[in-house]
Amino acid sequence: DAGVIQSPRHEVTEMGQEVTLRCKPISGHDYLFWYRQTMMRGLELLIYFNNNVPIDDSGMPEDRFSAKMPNASFSTLKIQPSEPRDSAVYFCASSSQGLGGYGYTFGSGTRLTVV
Amino acid sequence: AQSVTQPDIHITVSEGASLELRCNYSYGATPYLFWYVQSPGQGLQLLLKYFSGDTLVQGIKGFEAEFKRSQSSFNLRKPSVHWSDAAEYFCAVGFTGTASKLTFGTGTRLQVTL
Repeated sequence: DAGVIQSPRHEVTEMGQEVTLRCKPISGHDYLFWYRQTMMRGLELLIYFNNNVPIDDSGMPEDRFSAKMPNASFSTLKIQPSEPRDSAVYFCASSSQGLGGYGYTFGSGTRLTVV
Repeated sequence: AQSVTQPDIHITVSEGASLELRCNYSYGATPYLFWYVQSPGQGLQLLLKYFSGDTLVQGIKGFEAEFKRSQSSFNLRKPSVHWSDAAEYFCAVGFTGTASKLTFGTGTRLQVTL
């Protein structure tokens, strides 16, 4: 398996633009998580899905952020409009049978810079 | 609410020296415990995990961790550190009966001097 695949690896955009981050989880994993990592706040869970259904989006910072999972093999995280404070590394992770003791497999992340 | 504490933000050790990174969790239930490593510019990689049974678990890259229930700790150890171990290390905890999400510590950055 190729692991969790995220694209793009790097994204530089201007303030006010729409940004879409993409994630392909490991085949067969039924949980998908979106995290944001910054120096100031560390790793923050934004939202997670189970069987393509959003379960907990309490970590989504505001309405500018939205996430979808149209099928088991694809998820997007969208920021519209983007702001400089959204600059961070965004990670996608997937796991099998939820917590179940299996842990998460993380993607390599998308480094977002909003100028 | 469950929480994880990694009291050391930054640790420096000499190559060949032993290493122990501390992790404490809070919550009453039986935890699932994990250690992840993050190299610069990379995602988090699972080093080892504890579910139940033997409280000393072995992981990849020569790391081990010991679960001590009485101390609510899950410290990561390595007998002899290599320069390539320089990275950031995250402890994470999850519990049965809660939502299926892990709580991560704030990380410990390991620097290895030659």
